[in-house]
Amino acid sequence: AQSVSQHNHHVILSEAASLELGCNYSYGGTVNLFWYVQYPGQHLQLLLKYFSGDPLVKGIKGFEAEFIKSKFSFNLRKPSVQWSDTAEYFCAVTIITGGYQKVTFGTGTKLQVIP
Amino acid sequence: ETGVTQTPRHLVMGMTNKKSLKCEQHLGHNAMYWYKQSAKKPLELMFVYNFKEQTENNSVPSRFSPECPNSSHLFLHLHTLQPEDSALYLCASSQNPRSDYNSPLHFGNGTRLTVT
Repeated sequence: AQSVSQHNHHVILSEAASLELGCNYSYGGTVNLFWYVQYPGQHLQLLLKYFSGDPLVKGIKGFEAEFIKSKFSFNLRKPSVQWSDTAEYFCAVTIITGGYQKVTFGTGTKLQVIP
Repeated sequence: ETGVTQTPRHLVMGMTNKKSLKCEQHLGHNAMYWYKQSAKKPLELMFVYNFKEQTENNSVPSRFSPECPNSSHLFLHLHTLQPEDSALYLCASSQNPRSDYNSPLHFGNGTRLTVT
């Protein structure tokens, strides 16, 4: 069965600092990769996704992620964080099994940005 | 506005109570999901319905009983729950997961359940 690891459970940064959140998955086949974000008091929403093509994908609010197949990684980055980026970030992997897409989430990383 | 509406937002119930969670999606999606979100754990998939048919039951105890009368509505009926069932229960929807493999999930705001 596939699994998703997010090694950083809680990250605290000052505004303008650079961000990188790690995400590793275990599955040898074709995967689709997602990052979701949950702002305080709000619903989970899609930040960015990778299906194929350029392994560097750009999402909303200046976020980007790079798919490195050899490392089974899909790390999330932002060059300069803002206070409004304070949220919980979830990495997710989907595989196709039994004719259906199956989604597996990581445990999430809480990001706190200090003004 | 997420397009996926869950009610109630908060629910406190005793272990002998029976209650139901409701989810409605206005996105024209074919698939609906129940997830359980507990602290320091990955989101746990509970049930998947595709075109009103249950396609996945992820070894969920029978005290949780889903119902999907149509593609837009999903219920989770609760009875004789345990305190460890306290969590945030999230509903999500997507396009047909059997044909649209790239479809992301759209989540509701969740129901915060506390079992006393």
